[in-house]
Amino acid sequence: EAGVAQSPRYKIIEKRQSVAFWCNPISGHATLYWYQQILGQGPKLLIQFQNNGVVDDSQLPKDRFSAERLKGVDSTLKIQPAKLEDSAVYLCASSLDRGTLYEQYFGPGTRLTVT
Amino acid sequence: AQTVTQSQPEMSVQEAETVTLSCTYDTSENNYYLFWYKQPPSRQMILVIRQEAYKQQNATENRFSVNFQKAAKSFSLKISDSQLGDTAMYFCAFMRAPDYKLSFGAGTTVTVRA
Repeated sequence: EAGVAQSPRYKIIEKRQSVAFWCNPISGHATLYWYQQILGQGPKLLIQFQNNGVVDDSQLPKDRFSAERLKGVDSTLKIQPAKLEDSAVYLCASSLDRGTLYEQYFGPGTRLTVT
Repeated sequence: AQTVTQSQPEMSVQEAETVTLSCTYDTSENNYYLFWYKQPPSRQMILVIRQEAYKQQNATENRFSVNFQKAAKSFSLKISDSQLGDTAMYFCAFMRAPDYKLSFGAGTTVTVRA
């Protein structure tokens, strides 16, 4: 079974530029998550999708971050414009469904450096 | 809001020995779940072990076991017979039933020495 795929793996941009990350979840997984992991901290949930609908985006900085999940499969996370404090690893995860019984499988992450 | 605290930023253990990682959490919920995740240097996070709060019996997965003290809101992870491949960052995480959101602690870096 293929795992969660993310691209790019690394990205360096200047502040005020825009950037997009892509995630392909495990086939058949209905729930998709985007996390932000700042160096030295645990991951923080940014947004959660169930199929192509947003379940929770309460911690997404909506003035600069946006995310979509077209057709309930792949997802993109965009930052526009980027700030220095956005430097982090962005992790995508997926699970078969919502709920505590369903394990979240994580991708390798995209390391973003904003200079 | 739920908070998860891991008070040990780093731990070092000799190969084949045992190490225990501590985790405390704060919640007013009664129905919740606790997890330990491992994040090796390659950065792909994987689930190590999970514990349902309503279960009194401590969860065990091979060399990994937990000590769940509900009243004390404590959830420690014991790694027995440590192996070099156990070197990783370990995160304690909390999930409550209504919203199924994972809240992570800051992590503990475990280094297994040969």
